[in-house]
Amino acid sequence: LAKTTQPISMDSYEGQEVNITCSHNNIATNDYITWYQQFPSQGPRFIIQGYKTKVTNEVASLFIPADRKSSTLSLPRVSLSDTAVYYCLVGPYNNNDMRFGAGTRLTVKP
Amino acid sequence: IAGITQAPTSQILAAGRRMTLRCTQDMRHNAMYWYRQDLGLGLRLIHYSNTAGTTGKGEVPDGYSVSRANTDDFPLTLASAVPSQTSVYFCASSRDRGAVGELFFGEGSRLTVL
Repeated sequence: LAKTTQPISMDSYEGQEVNITCSHNNIATNDYITWYQQFPSQGPRFIIQGYKTKVTNEVASLFIPADRKSSTLSLPRVSLSDTAVYYCLVGPYNNNDMRFGAGTRLTVKP
Repeated sequence: IAGITQAPTSQILAAGRRMTLRCTQDMRHNAMYWYRQDLGLGLRLIHYSNTAGTTGKGEVPDGYSVSRANTDDFPLTLASAVPSQTSVYFCASSRDRGAVGELFFGEGSRLTVL
């Protein structure tokens, strides 16, 4: 199972773009990369998922280099409500044993 | 509203007591999961189930058991609770097994073992 490493915390200001990078050096061929957001006293919520290159949805972009040993979640123009913990999850498409890392605590300041 | 329902929301339990955390989903998802979340450790997988009738062990299964008698319910049982099982427990589901697609989480059950 791929082990993930993320920064413990990051600070940003409203209106800035935030990039959170996750390292997963031993990612396997059949592993997908998924990011989740968690607010206090709530369960995590799906943000975005990808396998390679770039994926974009209405809330974020996910950049995955060709070697897939890292991935970067990009949040455009963050607001105070984006203050949360962000988890990178790497797991195989055919196995339910998906494991989260410790997450990155993002604090957005006014 | 469709989703995952967990009960109880919060519970204080004496060590040595038996406790079952309930989880029900109404999305007809095949796969279900139990995670525990402790400060600084993120979410750790306890047990999972690919489909009704099957279960599997995750990263930290010791002291916990699960059953999957039907598609909707996935209870987690602590046979004899210990203080180290004090944690927030999250139940989750996904349409299919594996990492492709979205995990849907409940709101969590906060358990304190004294």
